[in-house]
Amino acid sequence: AQTVTQSQPEMSVQEAETVTLSCTYDTSESDYYLFWYKQPPSRQMILVIRQEAYKQQNATENRFSVNFQKAAKSFSLKISDSQLGDAAMYFCAYRSGGSQGNLIFGKGTKLSVKP
Amino acid sequence: DTGVSQDPRHKITKRGQNVTFRCDPISEHNRLYWYRQTLGQGPEFLTYFQNEAQLEKSRLLSDRFSAERPKGSFSTLEIQRTEQGDSAMYLCASSFGQVGTEAFFGQGTRLTVV
Repeated sequence: AQTVTQSQPEMSVQEAETVTLSCTYDTSESDYYLFWYKQPPSRQMILVIRQEAYKQQNATENRFSVNFQKAAKSFSLKISDSQLGDAAMYFCAYRSGGSQGNLIFGKGTKLSVKP
Repeated sequence: DTGVSQDPRHKITKRGQNVTFRCDPISEHNRLYWYRQTLGQGPEFLTYFQNEAQLEKSRLLSDRFSAERPKGSFSTLEIQRTEQGDSAMYLCASSFGQVGTEAFFGQGTRLTVV
């Protein structure tokens, strides 16, 4: 069975600085997708960034980028120029390419942004 | 389009009572998912619909849980004879098209069993 591990329960970053959230996963599959979702307090989860396993190039979305190391099964999220609005729970998630599409989530990392 | 809508947002019930939650996905989204999220944990998959067909159920979905999606539109999740361990946030998500496309989440229904 696939598993997703986020080893940092909490992280803190100064506004305008850069922070990296870690995620590792375990799978024997070759076709899969990886996601980072953001869950602000009392608000719905929203997609931050997505990576297809077959793509070697790391995904980037504005201030958010990933470091996808397929052999190491590592998928970290880098947030540049951190803003107060980035404060939230961040979940790393895995989706099998051959499944019905359900996501397997890590336990999350709570990110605080200090002004 | 207002996104994925869930009702109610909060539900407090006594142990042993039945509860039903509703999810309205984004229009034309053919895939619908239910997840459960307990404090300090990531969401855990419960069940999946493609259109009106329930195609996958997690082992977490005990016999007391039942989900429906009549006509492939909204979905309901019913919990019978609630237990304190059922207290959690129940999240609904929907997506359209291929497996790798983005899933959009609702704000969830927070269930407290007293």
